[in-house]
Amino acid sequence: EEQLVESGGGLVQPGGSLRLSCVAYGFTFRNYDMHWVRQPPGKGLEWVSAIDTGGATYYGDSVKGRFTISRENARNSLYLQMNSLRAGDTALYYCIRGGDGFDPWGQGTLVTVSS
Amino acid sequence: QSVLTQPPSASGAPGQRVTVSCSGSTSNIGKNYVYWYQQLPGTAPKLLMYKNNQRPSGVPDRFSGSKSGTSASLAISGLRSEDEADYYCAVWDDSLSGRWVFGGGTKVTVL
Repeated sequence: EEQLVESGGGLVQPGGSLRLSCVAYGFTFRNYDMHWVRQPPGKGLEWVSAIDTGGATYYGDSVKGRFTISRENARNSLYLQMNSLRAGDTALYYCIRGGDGFDPWGQGTLVTVSS
Repeated sequence: QSVLTQPPSASGAPGQRVTVSCSGSTSNIGKNYVYWYQQLPGTAPKLLMYKNNQRPSGVPDRFSGSKSGTSASLAISGLRSEDEADYYCAVWDDSLSGRWVFGGGTKVTVL
């Protein structure tokens, strides 16, 4: 079964850092672009970042310069390093495989930025 | 404020047809494929439609997608109680350095 499992979320103070991880199962990870999408509590979806199979990276305007996406194909893993966190970054962060649409989605990992 | 505009809500009785619109611009819907996602309460979103009107395996043919110019629509025919969910459109936007954008989401209620 194709599956994505995120981890690394938690409570962090404003200005702090956090590193999210995502492990892929059931498909050839290195062959796919990968994405992070977030959803603040009770709100809609926001695309955060992407990394393609060649390692090129893309970021949404709200996180550019603060977040860094990376991948480690040998470990079937995707990462999101988040620095200078703000209250507005509070959200459920989903790891997603790219391709013909975002599919599948992980279950999400919750990041809460609060003092 | 989202780059893609969706109505916040839509509703219909069981068996009826409901449509959800998604309005964009020439830098996104006007030149790229539209995707639709269904988010049931308390769950992660799921791909519902890709490349404007293609259904992934397992998605009932009650769901259909279309695109015209800078707008797209998702139609649900034969509405069922299990269709009650949030629906989001998404598309690649070529403006600036490029980015994926989502609509604000439409809550579909089965009356």
